[in-house]
Amino acid sequence: NAGVTQTPKFQVLKTGQSMTLQCAQDMNHEYMSWYRQDPGMGLRLIHYSVGAGITDQGEVPNGYNVSRSTTEDFPLRLLSAAPSQTSVYFCASSDGADQETQYFGPGTRLLVL
Amino acid sequence: KQEVTQIPAALSVPEGENLVLNCSFTDSAIYNLQWFRQDPGKGLTSLLLIQSSQREQTSGRLNASLDKSSGRSTLYIAASQPGDSATYLCAVKYRTGGFKTIFGAGTRLFVKA
Repeated sequence: NAGVTQTPKFQVLKTGQSMTLQCAQDMNHEYMSWYRQDPGMGLRLIHYSVGAGITDQGEVPNGYNVSRSTTEDFPLRLLSAAPSQTSVYFCASSDGADQETQYFGPGTRLLVL
Repeated sequence: KQEVTQIPAALSVPEGENLVLNCSFTDSAIYNLQWFRQDPGKGLTSLLLIQSSQREQTSGRLNASLDKSSGRSTLYIAASQPGDSATYLCAVKYRTGGFKTIFGAGTRLFVKA
């Protein structure tokens, strides 16, 4: 199993550009989520999904969109990139929404100029 | 507001020492608490998951405890080694407010040879 995969590993954007961060998992997990990690602040939840077709907002959803058309994929879209969105983005999945261990992808480093 | 706090923010110990990392949370209505390890520039690796009905979990030299009534968890590392040097993150999945996981900012551990 590949587990949780993320692409790209690193991306540079200019302010105002849009892009999609890809996340896929091959463990048939229902629950998937996106986090951003900034220095000294731990991870903050952006959006999450408890199954295909169901998404909800986390702590810091502004400026980001998600959709969940399949169990495997959970892309994160930046609508109009801003320097404040410079961060490391992690995708995670787990078998259930409540009691299960979360598995994390390797992360995407995003720099917005 | 649901928060997770980790103390200390950084810790340096000599090899062989036993140590304790602390995690506190503001709401006792939780599904689970998970401890992660993160190496520089890498993703998160799950160390231990404690369900809300459990008091502790053990894996090798690691032992994690959970006290919901006081809103505290500890991660005990026995006989520390230089390879244990990393950032340790505590994450709490709360029952209220949706299936959201809140992370602490982490404790950066350095074990000196």
